[in-house]
Amino acid sequence: DAGVTQSPTHLIKTRGQHVTLRCSPISGHKSVSWYQQVLGQGPQFIFQYYEKEERGRGNFPDRFSARQFPNYSSELNVNALLLGDSALYLCASSLGMGGYTFGSGTRLTVV
Amino acid sequence: GQQVMQIPQYQHVQEGEDFTTYCNSSTTLSNIQWYKQRPGGHPVFLIQLVKSGEVKKQKRLTFQFGEAKKNSSLHITATQTTDVGTYFCAGFILSGGSNYKLTFGKGTLLTVNP
Repeated sequence: DAGVTQSPTHLIKTRGQHVTLRCSPISGHKSVSWYQQVLGQGPQFIFQYYEKEERGRGNFPDRFSARQFPNYSSELNVNALLLGDSALYLCASSLGMGGYTFGSGTRLTVV
Repeated sequence: GQQVMQIPQYQHVQEGEDFTTYCNSSTTLSNIQWYKQRPGGHPVFLIQLVKSGEVKKQKRLTFQFGEAKKNSSLHITATQTTDVGTYFCAGFILSGGSNYKLTFGKGTLLTVNP
């Protein structure tokens, strides 16, 4: 079985641009969560989606948005990129409140 | 706000020495999870503790959940170079309404000198 897959693996964007990150959860997992991880820090919660509905939002500006599709895959969108948005973006899927399975992440660099 | 705190931030040991990392929450947790992230990798789920006072072992790793369900620890006996990485604890914190978010501590980076 495939694990959580994320694309792209690496991305370089210019300040002010927009980016879309994609995630496919483990088959059967209906919950997808997005995290931002800056070097040396723990993952910071951005969004959680369950059955295509937003179930939680972290302390991130409105430039960050997400959605979940009928096949449970998900997209994270970030508008008007800032240098401070440079980070590893992690997607995780889960069954309820059990352990999360993370993808390998998308390394975003904003220049 | 509600958060999960971890100490120490860094720990360097000689191979064969023991290692412990501690996790504390400002609120009672329904469960506590532990993850390991190798350098350049992504967090990998290790274990979940649910019951007050619970102790679980995975080979050389021992996980404990406090009686008040506000603290937890991970102890590694006789560290090996393969134990290198950052260990995170995480707990579900109320995120608004009846929704919960899995909140991570800042992690403890373990380095092992062979």
